Amino acid sequence: DSGVTQTPKHLITATGQRVTLRCSPRSGDLSVYWYQQSLDQGLQFLIQYYNGEERAKGNILERFSAQQFPDLHSELNLSSLELGDSALYFCASSLVGTGGIGELFFGEGSRLTVL
Amino acid sequence: GQQLNQSPQSMFIQEGEDVSMNCTSSSIFNTWLWYKQDPGEGPVLLIALYKAGELTSNGRLTAQFGITRKDSFLNISASIPSDVGIYFCAGQWGKLTFGQGTILTVHP
Repeated sequence: DSGVTQTPKHLITATGQRVTLRCSPRSGDLSVYWYQQSLDQGLQFLIQYYNGEERAKGNILERFSAQQFPDLHSELNLSSLELGDSALYFCASSLVGTGGIGELFFGEGSRLTVL
Repeated sequence: GQQLNQSPQSMFIQEGEDVSMNCTSSSIFNTWLWYKQDPGEGPVLLIALYKAGELTSNGRLTAQFGITRKDSFLNISASIPSDVGIYFCAGQWGKLTFGQGTILTVHP
């Protein structure tokens, strides 16, 4: 158990819909990262928050947005969903932000299926 | 941007064999990490390397931070069925960049 909690574990929805994925980081971790993993297995970095502020942005679509709340949990919002958005979405947390050591702790992921 | 080339993409081995995989980059990193993802789970950190030339072991796993700071390798000795999964390298210079992963299959 990494200490990172993601909900829901599975989600099935239709094209055009909007979903919210939630992540609670490990106790004490200030950074939250979101990654997308599609069938081609690679981990695509989406976005990072550090102590409530956006710290780094990766290949995140404009239809996607995220935020980190004062209690440090984070939400990833995916809207106008397309078939190609079907993937595993991972949240990871770390104590430090960019520039610190890259020891990320990953949650078990949220599997999104868009039909 | 920074890119990592991880190889091989997949490996099919017999139980008991040794495994070697590596990552190379055109950019230098100040940290190299190796993660393993079990089926249906999130990646878990196996080994972290912080210094060029560093060689670190974790049980049957051994990883090295290349002298040029542009590469790293991971060796698994005497593989067992529970070694199956996807192994990711990751390099850090400011941001963290992941390789595409190596899928390891171990036949009993």
